[in-house]
Amino acid sequence: GAGVSQSPRYKVAKRGQDVALRCDPISGHVSLFWYQQALGQGPEFLTYFQNEAQLDKSGLPSDRFFAERPEGSVSTLKIQRTQQEDSAVYLCASSFPPRGTEAFFGQGTRLTVV
Amino acid sequence: KQEVTQIPAALSVPEGENLVLNCSFTDSAIYNLQWFRQDPGKGLTSLLLIQSSQREQTSGRLNASLDKSSGRSTLYIAASQPGDSATYLCAQGGSEKLVFGKGTKLTVNP
Repeated sequence: GAGVSQSPRYKVAKRGQDVALRCDPISGHVSLFWYQQALGQGPEFLTYFQNEAQLDKSGLPSDRFFAERPEGSVSTLKIQRTQQEDSAVYLCASSFPPRGTEAFFGQGTRLTVV
Repeated sequence: KQEVTQIPAALSVPEGENLVLNCSFTDSAIYNLQWFRQDPGKGLTSLLLIQSSQREQTSGRLNASLDKSSGRSTLYIAASQPGDSATYLCAQGGSEKLVFGKGTKLTVNP
């Protein structure tokens, strides 16, 4: 596709439920990033993939968060046993190396945990 | 820890005014500085990317500058329009991830 695509756009989960968020990056983009944006804040880094390799997961807030990109294209961010503090917009971005290239963002998935 | 600060947090101006949004960063090991626009309930739209070797970039009515020595970037918007109303975010690019400020919410009044 022409841009980064994320699904679903909106997700309401009951506390304790598991959720899976999908990101389809721009074709040919090697690097893929996940960010979390709380209301009124800037996005915060969660994790980074280069192809299928997860090179940095230092931003994942707890072991309930898990991300994968098994074939080096589509990525899934999974949150287990969701808590209210997980409510946020989850943004996916992709870019093509080398370092210093422009990052392109998807529309985000707004997760609300009730 | 890398930190990016944006001032002001909110700005309201009449249509037609020229304005400047400010961004400061703490890490001198910067690869690039990227400015984004975010409309309510939407994702981020890239506006301008300044590489660490560059001093400024221009696109239409937008001009962004980068001063690595002082750790500052500015986004200049000329002849503002109501359609420019949005939140503007700056992000410092490191070796991999972006570090964002909290944004400046701009309202341009007709």
